[in-house]
Amino acid sequence: KNQVEQSPQSLIILEGKNCTLQCNYTVSPFSNLRWYKQDTGRGPVSLTIMTFSENTKSNGRYTATLDADTKQSSLHITASQLSDSASYICVVREQTGANNLFFGTGTRLTVIP
Amino acid sequence: ETGVTQTPRHLVMGMTNKKSLKCEQHLGHNAMYWYKQSAKKPLELMFVYNFKEQTENNSVPSRFSPECPNSSHLFLHLHTLQPEDSALYLCASSQALAGEPKKNIQYFGAGTRLSVL
Repeated sequence: KNQVEQSPQSLIILEGKNCTLQCNYTVSPFSNLRWYKQDTGRGPVSLTIMTFSENTKSNGRYTATLDADTKQSSLHITASQLSDSASYICVVREQTGANNLFFGTGTRLTVIP
Repeated sequence: ETGVTQTPRHLVMGMTNKKSLKCEQHLGHNAMYWYKQSAKKPLELMFVYNFKEQTENNSVPSRFSPECPNSSHLFLHLHTLQPEDSALYLCASSQALAGEPKKNIQYFGAGTRLSVL
């Protein structure tokens, strides 16, 4: 069964600190992996997208890594800000005719002053 | 602003009511989606439309009825819902269903928070 698992489920960090969110998946065959940020009361917004051949992708203070061999991805947030408080969702697309998307349950990040 | 607008933002309805959710995208995309988001669960894909044609119905109960009159508008008609249908309903659009990854990035609306009493 194709799955996407994220950890931790929730995380609280001090403003200015760094943090790393994890995503493990079993989706196969693999097409690409995306990280979305979902602010409270809003829809998810795409942060990064990585294909099989890409092992790192940055978007400002957000850096995503992908290890397609171990089927793991991480999202590293540098110098966190209060506005980083949100849910971060890992999404994996299957490389089949159906192009199914598999969503993780998300990591709820809270940045406190 | 993602270019995908959902109305209403909040909706409270009784189990015998009929209501509709509306989604409009201003991105010139060809594919549109309805998702259900419940607490502590992954997003659940409900329906997919590509060029106004429904391409996927993920075993959604018939009390949810989608309508896509054109590539820019998507509706979700609700009838005789159950309390367990209370959730955030998200609409999304993408340039294409498949192909190049950048063309199938989904842009989400802010959602409609639905409460069924």
